[in-house]
Amino acid sequence: GENVGLHLPTLSVQEGDNSIINCAYSNSASDYFIWYKQESGKGPQFIIDIRSNMDKRQGQRVTVLLNKTVKHLSLQIAATQPGDSAVYFCAENMGGSARQLTFGSGTQLTVLP
Amino acid sequence: DAEITQSPRHKITETGRQVTLACHQTWNHNNMFWYRQDLGHGLRLIHYSYGVQDTNKGEVSDGYSVSRSNTEDLPLTLESAASSQTSVYFCASSSNGETQYFGPGTRLLVL
Repeated sequence: GENVGLHLPTLSVQEGDNSIINCAYSNSASDYFIWYKQESGKGPQFIIDIRSNMDKRQGQRVTVLLNKTVKHLSLQIAATQPGDSAVYFCAENMGGSARQLTFGSGTQLTVLP
Repeated sequence: DAEITQSPRHKITETGRQVTLACHQTWNHNNMFWYRQDLGHGLRLIHYSYGVQDTNKGEVSDGYSVSRSNTEDLPLTLESAASSQTSVYFCASSSNGETQYFGPGTRLLVL
């Protein structure tokens, strides 16, 4: 199947700074994307999603940007806090009748005091 | 509150034994999924179900089976546990086939 990959495996940011986590996808038929957060020892937790008919969506302190031209997805976290330290990964759904997600391998975000 | 639970949370077993991991969701979701998560591989789909009596193989289904006798439960069975099946197992469910909600995971060690 198609792969969803991440540009950087690790990211360290200072507390209070903004974080940007990137994701590249290769299936142009994908029409729905999700960002998950996974803390150590826990299951993945839904953060935010976006459909392919949008290029930006905002949540509480998080923003997802979608660039379909270059098949790139990013997650921006404003004013990063220690509790944001986790692995973040994106997932894509190929649309239509497909109900499965394809997941990237993840980026470890570490927030420095 | 509706939720998805997995049991046991930790399991140690021996090679060749049959092991069953439980997954229970109270959202009344039609779609349920089992994944394993290993370093360097991310989440890989084992089996999935789109409704009662429906089961399908995923990317890494060899050595695993599932059954769906009701909406709430999708137990995962390792027919004859192998050391290669040492992993963290996650169950997930979804209503619309898009956003999947995950359980807390089961850590399985096969000796």
